[in-house]
Amino acid sequence: GEKVEQHESTLSVREGDSAVINCTYTDTASSYFPWYKQEAGKGLHFVIDIRSNVDRKQSQRLIVLLDKKAKRFSLHITATQPEDSAIYFCAASIWGYKLTFGTGTSLLVDP
Amino acid sequence: ETAVFQTPNYHVTQVGNEVSFNCKQTLGHDTMYWYKQDSKKLLKIMFSYNNKQLIVNETVPRRFSPQSSDKAHLNLRIKSVEPEDSAVYLCASSWGQSQNTLYFGAGTRLSVL
Repeated sequence: GEKVEQHESTLSVREGDSAVINCTYTDTASSYFPWYKQEAGKGLHFVIDIRSNVDRKQSQRLIVLLDKKAKRFSLHITATQPEDSAIYFCAASIWGYKLTFGTGTSLLVDP
Repeated sequence: ETAVFQTPNYHVTQVGNEVSFNCKQTLGHDTMYWYKQDSKKLLKIMFSYNNKQLIVNETVPRRFSPQSSDKAHLNLRIKSVEPEDSAVYLCASSWGQSQNTLYFGAGTRLSVL
C-alpha cells in the first residue's frame, strides 16, 4: 500500500521567514494530496490540496508544489506568523480514496 | 467554527472496561469516519460509513464496533479495552465516499490504566 514520508518531524522558523515541509509518497497512482493542520488539543483542519493535473497551487500564504517524477510534494508557508505554529500533516490518495497520512511536522514560529 | 462534535473530550478507564464515544456532524455530509491517532501522532483510519452503511473497515481488533443511527451520527464502542487502545480517536466527515476535504472533530482522548 501507499506510504507517505514526512521528512521534517520538527521545524523552527522566525516570524516572517518561510517554512517548507517536504513529503514523499510511493504509489505512482496517487493523484490527490491534501495538507492538514492540527493545533494543540484540536482535530485536523484542512488547509490546502493539490491534484496531479497541476504542479503548483497557491492559496494566500500557502504554496503547494508537486513533483510527480520524484513522487514528492511540499508545503511552503510564506511570511510565517505565530498562529502558523501547529502540526502539519501531508497525505496522499488515489482520487481521495484510501487516504494515507504522513507522520506530521511540528512547526514552531518564533515571534 | 466546529461542525463535528465529539463526546466525551477525555475518558480514563481501566483495562477490561467497555467505553463508547459519540460523534455528530451538522454539515449535512453523507460519509463519516473514525481515525485513531497514537502517541506519536500517527493517523490510521479505522472505519468509514456512507449513509449509515459500513464501507471501510480496516484491520482493527474485533473489540471495536462502530454504530451509525443516521448519516449525521457515528459512534464507536470498545468492548474490553486494552492498554494499546490509549490514543486520541478522531471523528471526521466528508461529502461522498472519497476522502476529499475531511472535517474533523476535536477528538476523544482515551487513557487506559
